[in-house]
Amino acid sequence: NAGVTQTPKFRILKIGQSMTLQCAQDMNHNYMYWYRQDPGMGLKLIYYSVGAGITDKGEVPNGYNVSRSTTEDFPLRLELAAPSQTSVYFCASTSSSGANVLTFGAGSRLTVL
Amino acid sequence: AQSVTQPDIHITVSEGASLELRCNYSYGATPYLFWYVQSPGQGLQLLLKYFSGDTLVQGIKGFEAEFKRSQSSFNLRKPSVHWSDAAEYFCAVGRANAGGTSYGKLTFGQGTILTVHP
Repeated sequence: NAGVTQTPKFRILKIGQSMTLQCAQDMNHNYMYWYRQDPGMGLKLIYYSVGAGITDKGEVPNGYNVSRSTTEDFPLRLELAAPSQTSVYFCASTSSSGANVLTFGAGSRLTVL
Repeated sequence: AQSVTQPDIHITVSEGASLELRCNYSYGATPYLFWYVQSPGQGLQLLLKYFSGDTLVQGIKGFEAEFKRSQSSFNLRKPSVHWSDAAEYFCAVGRANAGGTSYGKLTFGQGTILTVHP
């Protein structure tokens, strides 16, 4: 049981480049989330999805986009990378019977130079 | 708006000593409360959760937490710390009985880094 898998684990981008962070879960969870973690700031919600085809903004969505074409996958896209997007990104999921308990991926560390 | 405050950014304890990490929350509805632990370079692992009932909850790795509604607190404790407990700890709050778009949306505290001296 792999749980929540994130790729890549590390990535360096130049300002203005684009990339997609991949997230896949094999637990048949319908709820999925993207958080970013900055030192001393805890985790902030970027986007979330309550099911395939349904996504919505969280607390800090600017500069990001998401899609949810399948239950398993929830990619996060950065269109024009900026230094402010240097962060560690976590994908998480839960089921409707999971009582808000999130399962997290191992994280993706992104540096924008 | 809901918020979570972890007043201590960094705590250092000696191995074998007791530990208490503080967490205060502000939440308009009945909260679900969580403690997560993050080891360096790893994702977040659930230590324990409080939904309802007994206000003293037991978690993994010998941790416990007590929900005090009157103080809006959910402090994490461990009677004897092990070197392997060194990590960053996050308190989080979610909405109880949340449905639809509120489900699973947690607000996290800033985190407390725990250092354990031998």
